[in-house]
Amino acid sequence: GAGVSQSPRYKVAKRGQDVALRCDPISGHVSLFWYQQALGQGPEFLTYFQNEAQLDKSGLPSDRFFAERPEGSVSTLKIQRTQQEDSAVYLCASSFSSGRYTGELFFGEGSRLTVL
Amino acid sequence: AQTVTQSQPEMSVQEAETVTLSCTYDTSESDYYLFWYKQPPSRQMILVIRQEAYKQQNATENRFSVNFQKAAKSFSLKISDSQLGDAAMYFCAYKNRDDKIIFGKGTRLHILP
Repeated sequence: GAGVSQSPRYKVAKRGQDVALRCDPISGHVSLFWYQQALGQGPEFLTYFQNEAQLDKSGLPSDRFFAERPEGSVSTLKIQRTQQEDSAVYLCASSFSSGRYTGELFFGEGSRLTVL
Repeated sequence: AQTVTQSQPEMSVQEAETVTLSCTYDTSESDYYLFWYKQPPSRQMILVIRQEAYKQQNATENRFSVNFQKAAKSFSLKISDSQLGDAAMYFCAYKNRDDKIIFGKGTRLHILP
């Protein structure tokens, strides 16, 4: 597609439910990032993929968070047993970058998760 | 660990005037990249300008320019001839060789007509 696509745009979950957020990066982009953005804050790094390899997951806040990119394209961020503090916008970004290349990040519009 | 600090939560500028947004960062690396991203109310982040640390010349993109002071670890964004469409959250960001990009908390810019 022309840009990074995320779905769903909005998700309301009851506390304790599992959710899955999908990201379709720009075709051919090597790198894929997930960020969590709380209201009025900057994006906080969650995890990073280079093709199908998850190179950094240091930002995942707990073991309830899991991300995958099995074929090096579409990625899914899964949150198990959601808690109210998980409420945020989850941003996906992709880049035709690897290592030293200063690849521009292209962002999706985000998935807004509200946990009741 | 690298950090990015934006000390101005909000700024206002009169339309057609010039405004400067501040950013400082902390790193022990010598080779890195700096960015300014804009996030309008629609939420999609877009790149405004980027600077490679090894370049001494400040980056410029039309009405947007930076003042990069490597020794001071400062990276400010100047917006000239401000327009109503410039109203947004602006995020300063840092990237080193491991590809992870770290963002500041942002500055909300208001344009006064």
